[in-house]
Amino acid sequence: GQQVMQIPQYQHVQEGEDFTTYCNSSTTLSNIQWYKQRPGGHPVFLIQLVKSGEVKKQKRLTFQFGEAKKNSSLHITATQTTDVGTYFCAGPIAGGTSYGKLTFGQGTILTVHP
Amino acid sequence: NAGVTQTPKFRVLKTGQSMTLLCAQDMNHEYMYWYRQDPGMGLRLIHYSVGEGTTAKGEVPDGYNVSRLKKQNFLLGLESAAPSQTSVYFCASSYPDPEQFFGPGTRLTVL
Repeated sequence: GQQVMQIPQYQHVQEGEDFTTYCNSSTTLSNIQWYKQRPGGHPVFLIQLVKSGEVKKQKRLTFQFGEAKKNSSLHITATQTTDVGTYFCAGPIAGGTSYGKLTFGQGTILTVHP
Repeated sequence: NAGVTQTPKFRVLKTGQSMTLLCAQDMNHEYMYWYRQDPGMGLRLIHYSVGEGTTAKGEVPDGYNVSRLKKQNFLLGLESAAPSQTSVYFCASSYPDPEQFFGPGTRLTVL
């Protein structure tokens, strides 16, 4: 079945360092979404990418969607302690009408040391 | 707007007991979902609903049942709880918004 893989599983950085998480799908995606989950919290939507090669920025966060629409990345510049949490990518379940169903990657857990 | 709410927040069950988790959304979303989250495994879809009166199986439906009698509510039932069902359960809703809005979660422990 469709798989969405994320690497790395864990990332520890010093405050001010950059961070990148990568997402790879076994199938071509019509779009990809990114979510952030703070420790003890629930996933919160960050962004959706739709176009091949699309790049979007939200302040220090840069999201990319690969040309083949099978991979994506999230890059955080100059991390802050507020960036701590788990970052998930998610793609629509392939085949037929997806009804908004998503396949989530395992997530990358980011810790930031002050 | 409250968004997506879930009750209860925490629950401890003994093996074989039953319980119902309630999810409510006030965003008039058509689709609703139940996920479980276990360490290192991301979010796995249990059941989902594309409208009032409809339900369908997700990735890991065994041991769970659901009902959506009203558009705003989505119930998840465990008929006979097992320790393997110890997890954090999240409800989410979407459509026409493309993104999913999640509730705060229910932390369930089955002894």
